[in-house]
Amino acid sequence: QTVVTQEPSFSVSPGGTVTLTCGLSSGSVSSTYYPSWYQQIPGQAPRTLIYSTNIRSSGVPDRFSGSILGNKAALTITGAQADDECDYYCVLYMSSGVSVFGGGTKLTVL
Amino acid sequence: QVQLVESGGGVVQPGRSLRLSCAASGFTFSSYAVHWVRQAPGKGLEWMAVISYAGTTKYYADSVRGRFSISRDNSRDTLYLQMNSLRPEDAAVYYCARGIGGTIYYGVDVWGQGTTVTVSS
Repeated sequence: QTVVTQEPSFSVSPGGTVTLTCGLSSGSVSSTYYPSWYQQIPGQAPRTLIYSTNIRSSGVPDRFSGSILGNKAALTITGAQADDECDYYCVLYMSSGVSVFGGGTKLTVL
Repeated sequence: QVQLVESGGGVVQPGRSLRLSCAASGFTFSSYAVHWVRQAPGKGLEWMAVISYAGTTKYYADSVRGRFSISRDNSRDTLYLQMNSLRPEDAAVYYCARGIGGTIYYGVDVWGQGTTVTVSS
């Protein structure tokens, strides 16, 4: 079974830049997996940040960007702010038609 | 405005069934694929199922294939999730979410607020 991997936790200083990654337990992530990224404040519904690797969802500030870095999808946050502190999830689309979430990354801004 | 509203959650005994609904408004429902995603208490998001805009294509996560069934009624702008043989591990907040660009692979861009399912005897 395919496992999508994310860092369990990450820290960034206010104003700093952080890159979260999304990989596969076996193989490399490419644009054909249409990676997407979601932000979730605990207790709230998720919010879409990025889809199809690097397309920002409506209303998402350009501090958030998506890319492929090496063999993983990546979400880069520049100018980190206190309210960026929450959970981030990636999703990969598999050729079988199913999608798989990563385990999520808890981002701390301190 | 564009909105998805889930309903039908509640407390159900193990082995029983439950049907969730997701009412869409503010957009042409019949033009979009729609997904179900769940989140168990204290856990991460888990993708469950997707149905194409016409309802002709459906995919399921391994964890629910054969027990859950996704369907839609485009005349009612409503998505459904029929959940059978429920297990304690199916307890979660269930979200419906709109697919992007009419596809099943781009991800989702609009989320409902979620409905809670508790499986307990």
